[in-house]
Amino acid sequence: EPEVTQTPSHQVTQMGQEVILRCVPISNHLYFYWYRQILGQKVEFLVSFYNNEISEKSEIFDDQFSVERPDGSNFTLKIRSTKLEDSAMYFCASSGPLGSTGNTIYFGEGSWLTVV
Amino acid sequence: AQSVTQPDIHITVSEGASLELRCNYSYGATPYLFWYVQSPGQGLQLLLKYFSGDTLVQGIKGFEAEFKRSQSSFNLRKPSVHWSDAAEYFCAVGAGRDDKIIFGKGTRLHILP
Repeated sequence: EPEVTQTPSHQVTQMGQEVILRCVPISNHLYFYWYRQILGQKVEFLVSFYNNEISEKSEIFDDQFSVERPDGSNFTLKIRSTKLEDSAMYFCASSGPLGSTGNTIYFGEGSWLTVV
Repeated sequence: AQSVTQPDIHITVSEGASLELRCNYSYGATPYLFWYVQSPGQGLQLLLKYFSGDTLVQGIKGFEAEFKRSQSSFNLRKPSVHWSDAAEYFCAVGAGRDDKIIFGKGTRLHILP
């Protein structure tokens, strides 16, 4: 079964450093998302992306965050200057194969980010 | 805006017993509803989804859920749980096709041998 893949699976970074989390969505999907889950808490929506632009973002997704689809396969989340509170599991997701009915959002395995 | 409430933070059942996890949603129109499962340190796996049609939906691993519009609920059920079902279960609601989905806080399921 096709899957969303994410790299790295775990990254430790120093506060203030830039981090890029990478994702390869399912190949024929058109909608892309980033979510995060702080340890022990619920999964929170960050941003959705369609047709090479952000379609919606949450309050969490401030100017420190950016997303990009630099080529036809990758979808990246950049955190410009990490803070301790950015420590979380970040999930990439995709949905919407051509011709589908309704949305089924498929999630990757996540990237653990630890800011020290 | 849509929202989801999972009233039970922890549920403990014995292996072989039946299971029901509760989920209530808030949304003005017909919602898109989902149940995901997350094992420790793992990603989110889709168990089942409801968009329209038959209000009783079947999912993977023997799970089913029933959409009840009158109660704004989408409870997850399984007739007989296995030790491997121990995990965190998240209910989620979406407003429309390919719209973002909003998660509940999750219910952690513990299985007694």
